[in-house]
Order: sequence, then C-alpha cells, then structure tokens
Amino acid sequence: AQTVTQSQPEMSVQEAETVTLSCTYDTSESDYYLFWYKQPPSRQMILVIRQEAYKQQNATENRFSVNFQKAAKSFSLKISDSQLGDAAMYFCAYRSLNYGGSQGNLIFGKGTKLSVKP
Amino acid sequence: NAGVTQTPKFRILKIGQSMTLQCTQDMNHNYMYWYRQDPGMGLKLIYYSVGAGITDKGEVPNGYNVSRSTTEDFPLRLELAAPSQTSVYFCASSYSERARSNQPQHFGDGTRLSIL
Repeated sequence: AQTVTQSQPEMSVQEAETVTLSCTYDTSESDYYLFWYKQPPSRQMILVIRQEAYKQQNATENRFSVNFQKAAKSFSLKISDSQLGDAAMYFCAYRSLNYGGSQGNLIFGKGTKLSVKP
Repeated sequence: NAGVTQTPKFRILKIGQSMTLQCTQDMNHNYMYWYRQDPGMGLKLIYYSVGAGITDKGEVPNGYNVSRSTTEDFPLRLELAAPSQTSVYFCASSYSERARSNQPQHFGDGTRLSIL
C-alpha cells in the first residue's frame, strides 16, 4: 500500500520570502500522480499543483513549483514571494493509476500548517 | 458552476442517532468518493463509487453505508452515530477515463459533524 509522509507539522515564512514544504511517499508503482492541495480555514480543498510521475520536468504554477525526485520518492512544494493568503494547511497526495484498486482515490499526508508573517 | 455540493454544512447528533450526508455533483463524473478528516490528520477514504450502482469500501468504512442510484448523487449514511465519527466529511468526484486521470478530484466544502 502507498503511504505519504509530511514531516513538517508546521512551518512559518515571512511575507515575500520563499518556503519549501516537504513530502515523501512510498510506492512500488512506476506510474502515478502527485498533488498538492491547500486547505484554508474555510475548509475548502483547493488544488495547488500536480505532477505526473512519467514527466521529468518539475511542474510550476505561478508562484508555486515542485521539486520532484522520483528515485528518492520526494515531492516538495516551493512557494515563492509568499503572501498572507497562502496561510493554510497544505496536503500532499498520491494517486495511483492502478485502476484495479481503489479507483483513483487520493492518499493524503497529514498536512503542514503554513503561517505567513507580515 | 456548482461543482460538488454537500449538505448540511454543520450537524450535531446524539449518540445512536442516524443521518444522511448528501452529496451531488453536476460535472457528470463517474467516480465519487467520501473522505473523513480528523483533527490534525489528512483525509481518509471511507467509500467510493465508480459509477451508478457500484460502490466499494475504502480505508475506514465501518459505521457507514453508501448508495449510488444516479451519477449525480452519492449519499453517506451513518446508522448508529458514535463519538468516534465526530469529524469533517468531504465528498469528491473525478473523471473515470484514464486519459483524464491527471485531472484533480473536485471537493465539496465539507460537513462538520459532531456526535455528543
């Protein structure tokens, strides 16, 4: 079974600075997807960025980028020019492409609470 | 765009009561999911469905039941509420086609449920 580990329960960053959130995962599969979701106090689950495992190029979405190291099974999220609105829980999630199992469900880490200081 | 709609947003139940959490989506997604989120934890899969009439257990199904009579609706039922079921519940949906498997799950806004 796949597992996702986020080793930083809480992180803090100064506004306009850069912060990196860590995520590691365990899988025996070669083809899968990885996601970062943001959960603000409103409880909404908002997709931040996604990465296909077969792609070597790291995904980027504006101020958000990932460092995907497939061999190391590492998937960190970098937030540049941090803004007050970035304060939230961030969840790393794994999605198998094994359609014989739980069909496309996400396996989540425990999350990292990010605080942004003005 | 409605997306995934969950009702109610909040509910307090007494031990032993039953209730149904409603979930509906208007994106014609075949796959639907129910997750629970306990304090300080990530989401864990309760049940999922790959289409109307087909459901299966996830990681933490005990104490819950689901049905999927239509593509749009995927209600979650608690028959005998217990304090351990106090949690935030999320419904989600996604495409089923492998060609769209990189598309993210769409989540509802969650239901905060307290069992006292």
